[in-house]
Amino acid sequence: SQTIHQWPATLVQPVGSPLSLECTVEGTSNPNLYWYRQAAGRGLQLLFYSIGIDQISSEVPQNLSASRPQDRQFILSSKKLLLSDSGFYLCAWERGQGNEQYFGPGTRLTVT
Amino acid sequence: AQSVTQPDIHITVSEGASLELRCNYSYGATPYLFWYVQSPGQGLQLLLKYFSGDTLVQGIKGFEAEFKRSQSSFNLRKPSVHWSDAAEYFCALRDDKIIFGKGTRLHILP
Repeated sequence: SQTIHQWPATLVQPVGSPLSLECTVEGTSNPNLYWYRQAAGRGLQLLFYSIGIDQISSEVPQNLSASRPQDRQFILSSKKLLLSDSGFYLCAWERGQGNEQYFGPGTRLTVT
Repeated sequence: AQSVTQPDIHITVSEGASLELRCNYSYGATPYLFWYVQSPGQGLQLLLKYFSGDTLVQGIKGFEAEFKRSQSSFNLRKPSVHWSDAAEYFCALRDDKIIFGKGTRLHILP
């Protein structure tokens, strides 16, 4: 069966510090991968998606970037965090477009 | 434009009572529709999905949803809620990406 992991589960970082969040999927190959952010009291905002290695699309211009160094690994990064980057970050995968997505457990990021 | 509307931000029901969460969508063709549930501090879990066929869809945890094309709705129902059903529920529509509603937070009274 397929599983999706996110690391770390929680993170507290000062403004201006770098960020690296990791997402890995097991039990499948060539998944489409997604990064979402969920701010308090708000819905899900799609940040990035990837349909393959070196194929990453950004949905919202912002202080973040994404990379996919391996088929089943998706990294969310920032060089300098802003207060507005605080939130709950969710990674998701799907088996090809047009299907349902499966979500990881999330990372709670607090920027102080 | 494609969109998903969940009219109720919060809903409170008593344990053992029936539940219906509303979802309306805007889409030009027959949509792929989903309901997800999110417990506090956790990721989203897929409850059920509708792609085609029978308009009454059964999901996990005793939930069901009915697709009504004439009303552009996909309401989620459960005949008897349990305290563990307290969570946030998201309706979603599949376009080239998934479009989520803003969620309905369900509170359960003991």
